[in-house]
Amino acid sequence: QVQLRESGPGLVKPSETLSLTCTVSGVSISGHYWTWLRQPPGERLEWIGYAHDTRDTIYNPSLKSRVTVSLDTSKNQFSLSLTSVTAADTAVYYCASLIFDGKSHHFDFWGQGILVTVSS
Amino acid sequence: SYVLTQPPSVSVAPGKTARITCGGNKIGSYSVHWYQQKPGQAPVVVICSDSDRPSGIPERFSGSNSGNTATLTISRVEAGDEADYYCQVWDRGSDHPVVFGGGTKLTVV
Repeated sequence: QVQLRESGPGLVKPSETLSLTCTVSGVSISGHYWTWLRQPPGERLEWIGYAHDTRDTIYNPSLKSRVTVSLDTSKNQFSLSLTSVTAADTAVYYCASLIFDGKSHHFDFWGQGILVTVSS
Repeated sequence: SYVLTQPPSVSVAPGKTARITCGGNKIGSYSVHWYQQKPGQAPVVVICSDSDRPSGIPERFSGSNSGNTATLTISRVEAGDEADYYCQVWDRGSDHPVVFGGGTKLTVV
């Protein structure tokens, strides 16, 4: 059974860097796409970026200048770094796997989500 | 980037059929995925690629897609189906390939 779990601080100060880790169990992260998404309170889901160990990493253009998604295959983890955060970055952050089902890409396994609040 | 439009809310009585729409320009040329999100929980995919039902999803959930509208249909609605539902497409070739609709709150009244 594939499981994902987000970890990291729940409170980040404005202008600082938000750093989260997703620990994956049940499957090797090698050879698969892994992604971060977020959902501000009461708003829609927003895709942040996805990464693969041997292919390009792709980011949401609106966040590209501040985001890094990286994989650590030795720990079977992947991470999110978001710099220069503001209150607008307050959201529940999800990690998820991104798969191609033969027709299109969608997200099949998700972490439970972690609320990150940006506040001084 | 591509835009998906969903009604903010849909209400349905228990045992009836709920239809949640997702509108987009020529959405019929895309594969549409549907997620169910209950309060405080992560989304769960209930329909992928227009009409495929993942393992464990009840047969009451079905999907269709044509023209400018994709539809998630939930038959014999139960109280446990009350949730937010999001549609999603993959816009291949775009610099913003992942597109979500705004979500629809399904209320079972």
